[in-house]
Amino acid sequence: AQSVTQPDIHITVSEGASLELRCNYSYGATPYLFWYVQSPGQGLQLLLKYFSGDTLVQGIKGFEAEFKRSQSSFNLRKPSVHWSDAAEYFCAVGARGATNKLIFGTGTLLAVQP
Amino acid sequence: DGGITQSPKYLFRKEGQNVTLSCEQNLNHDAMYWYRQDPGQGLRLIYYSQIVNDFQKGDIAEGYSVSREKKESFPLTVTSAQKNPTAFYLCASTTPNPGQTGSGANVLTFGAGSRLTVL
Repeated sequence: AQSVTQPDIHITVSEGASLELRCNYSYGATPYLFWYVQSPGQGLQLLLKYFSGDTLVQGIKGFEAEFKRSQSSFNLRKPSVHWSDAAEYFCAVGARGATNKLIFGTGTLLAVQP
Repeated sequence: DGGITQSPKYLFRKEGQNVTLSCEQNLNHDAMYWYRQDPGQGLRLIYYSQIVNDFQKGDIAEGYSVSREKKESFPLTVTSAQKNPTAFYLCASTTPNPGQTGSGANVLTFGAGSRLTVL
């Protein structure tokens, strides 16, 4: 069965510092992989996605993620964090098939210190 | 602009009452989904529908019911059988042709959510 693990429940970084949020997945084949961001009390917004091809994907707001098949990981990175990046981040995996169901991780809450 | 509208944003319910959460989309998406979000648990799938007049249970369907009479609408009823209904509920939809492996598959668009509190 598919599963997603986000080992960091809460992360605090200083504004201007680099950021890496970890995501590990379990799936028998190459999955679809996603990162979503959620501001408090809001829905989720897609940051980036990986379907195939180049394993380094660029997203919105200066985020990028790298798919590493050998490590079953899809970590999210940003070179310089802004105060507006404070939010909750969710990694998700989707099966290549007909249902389009996504399995979400438990999320990482990012706080940004001035 | 196209999007997903969920209503109400906040809802209070007494124990033993059924409540219905509305989800409407004007994105012409075939597939629609309901997720439940609880702190520290991420999003869990309640029900999904890939086409009008058809829907399937997700991972936590007990105590919930849905209908899909129109392409743009996918209401969720939280019944009195749901033992712990207080949560944030998110509706989502996705592009047609769910069997594709191309760029359109699996990208979910979310509504702003509905927060249900049982008093």
